[in-house]
Amino acid sequence: ETGVTQTPRHLVMGMTNKKSLKCEQHLGHNAMYWYKQSAKKPLELMFVYNFKEQTENNSVPSRFSPECPNSSHLFLHLHTLQPEDSALYLCASSQAATEKLFFGSGTQLSVL
Amino acid sequence: QQPVQSPQAVILREGEDAVINCSSSKALYSVHWYRQKHGEAPVFLMILLKGGEQKGHEKISASFNEKKQQSSLYLTASQLSYSGTYFCGTERATDSWGKLQFGAGTQVVVTP
Repeated sequence: ETGVTQTPRHLVMGMTNKKSLKCEQHLGHNAMYWYKQSAKKPLELMFVYNFKEQTENNSVPSRFSPECPNSSHLFLHLHTLQPEDSALYLCASSQAATEKLFFGSGTQLSVL
Repeated sequence: QQPVQSPQAVILREGEDAVINCSSSKALYSVHWYRQKHGEAPVFLMILLKGGEQKGHEKISASFNEKKQQSSLYLTASQLSYSGTYFCGTERATDSWGKLQFGAGTQVVVTP
């Protein structure tokens, strides 16, 4: 248990669906992140939030929409995804940007 | 730009040593090391900062060569529990805070 909880653990969605991934951290951290992990590819940074403000969007397509209502919660809203978006989506948090990351267990997403 | 890790995979017998390298073509501010076991979230091992000294975690240690912009992770007297995929993450000196980019990973298998 790392103190970072992600739900759901598994998600199957059609290309026309809209769904959301949720991440909650109980560590009192100020920075939160979304990473994408595809088979045989490096972990890809998607978004960084520092004190609820988005400080990094790593050229992510607009079909992925993040939301950070407070320092403890982070969402990733998904719509009209493509099959190549199927991957493990990992949330992480850190006390401050540049410090060590605590990862959640991830949401395994399958887009049909 | 992601750092380059080598080797891609290594198989060790218990008690043997191994070195994993992580290189960047750009000036780095910090290097992180994480280990991920199958089906689990990545777990932090250590951070090396520019100008910093060698770090250690149990019998796993790492160094950062600023001239080469390269970090090396040393697995000494390997144990079965060391099996997993090791990722380095790098922050470039010119990037925004929190923009940690990961290498492709090195799969380590330790056999009895």
